[in-house]
Amino acid sequence: AQSVTQLDSQVPVFEEAPVELRCNYSSSVSVYLFWYVQYPNQGLQLLLKYLSGSTLVESINGFEAEFNKSQTSFHLRKPSVHISDTAEYFCAVSGGTMGGGSQGNLIFGKGTKLSVKP
Amino acid sequence: KAGVTQTPRYLIKTRGQQVTLSCSPISGHRSVSWYQQTPGQGLQFLFEYFSETQRNKGNFPGRFSGRQFSNSRSEMNVSTLELGDSALYLCASSLGQLRTTGELFFGEGSRLTVL
Repeated sequence: AQSVTQLDSQVPVFEEAPVELRCNYSSSVSVYLFWYVQYPNQGLQLLLKYLSGSTLVESINGFEAEFNKSQTSFHLRKPSVHISDTAEYFCAVSGGTMGGGSQGNLIFGKGTKLSVKP
Repeated sequence: KAGVTQTPRYLIKTRGQQVTLSCSPISGHRSVSWYQQTPGQGLQFLFEYFSETQRNKGNFPGRFSGRQFSNSRSEMNVSTLELGDSALYLCASSLGQLRTTGELFFGEGSRLTVL
């Protein structure tokens, strides 16, 4: 079965500092990988995704993530964070090449709360 | 294009009651998934509907049920509410089935409090 582990539940960081949010997954099949962000009192929004091709994917607001198949990781990075990046970030995996059944859904990690301080 | 709309946004119920939550997906999206979000368990998959049929189901008791209508709108129902059902219930839509696209568009959720 697939699972997702986000190694840090909370990450405090100062504004303009770099940040890395870690995500590891376990799956016996090819996967699609996602990062979602949730701002307070809102639903989740897709930040970036890896489906195939280049292992480095970028979002429009400066975040990037690299798919590392050998380490089964999909860590999220940003070289310089802003106060507005304060939110909870969720890593998710879906069995992209599997047929239906219980593996056909998106499995989320427990989330990492990023707190950016001035 | 309008996003995913969930109603009601907030509701309070007492133990033993039942509740129905509604979700209107993005126009053209045929798949609707439901998730329960709690501080302790995080996001847990409830079920997915595609073309009015339940395609996937998570590990929740039979008190949790859902359906999808011909216009892709979906409802989920929880009967005989328990205190532990207090949570944010998130609906998400996607163009195709999750197993083929994997990308979800979420609503803002319905926050259920059970007293």
